Amino acid sequence: AQKITQTQPGMFVQEKEAVTLDCTYDTSDPSYGLFWYKQPSSGEMIFLIYQGSYDQQNATEGRYSLNFQKARKSANLVISASQLGDSAMYFCAMSLSNDYKLSFGAGTTVTVRA
Amino acid sequence: EAGVAQSPRYKIIEKRQSVAFWCNPISGHATLYWYQQILGQGPKLLIQFQNNGVVDDSQLPKDRFSAERLKGVDSTLKIQPAKLEDSAVYLCASSLDPGEETQYFGPGTRLLVL
Repeated sequence: AQKITQTQPGMFVQEKEAVTLDCTYDTSDPSYGLFWYKQPSSGEMIFLIYQGSYDQQNATEGRYSLNFQKARKSANLVISASQLGDSAMYFCAMSLSNDYKLSFGAGTTVTVRA
Repeated sequence: EAGVAQSPRYKIIEKRQSVAFWCNPISGHATLYWYQQILGQGPKLLIQFQNNGVVDDSQLPKDRFSAERLKGVDSTLKIQPAKLEDSAVYLCASSLDPGEETQYFGPGTRLLVL
């Protein structure tokens, strides 16, 4: 079974600075997808970014980029130029190509300070 | 395009009572998921539907939980009878088809069992 590990329970970041959220995963399946979701206090899970296991380049979506290091089985999320609205819980998740079920990590709380 | 809709947003019941949650996925999305998110944890899959058929319900506590997706669109998740440990956020998600990995989530239903 696949496993997602997020070791940072909480982080503080100054507005306009960048922050990196760590995520490591474990699977023996060669084909998988990695996701990051944002969950504000309102509770909705907002899709941020996706990286396929066979993608050669790191995924980017606006201020979000995914630092994918396949050999190390890590998929860290980088948020550049943090904004107050970025304060939320962030979840790393993985799905396998044969069933597409998402397995989530425990999450990291990000608090952006003015 | 309308997102995933869920109702109610909040529900408070006493243990041993029954409760039902409703989900309307994004139009045209064939795959629907129900997740349970206990406070402080990442979501965990309860059941996955492909159109109106169940793909995976291995994590659904079938002695008290049931789910259906009649006509392959809306879905309902029921708990009967509820236990204190069922207090959680119940998230519904949908994806276009099994080949589309990205899942889009609704706002969730916060359940408190007293």
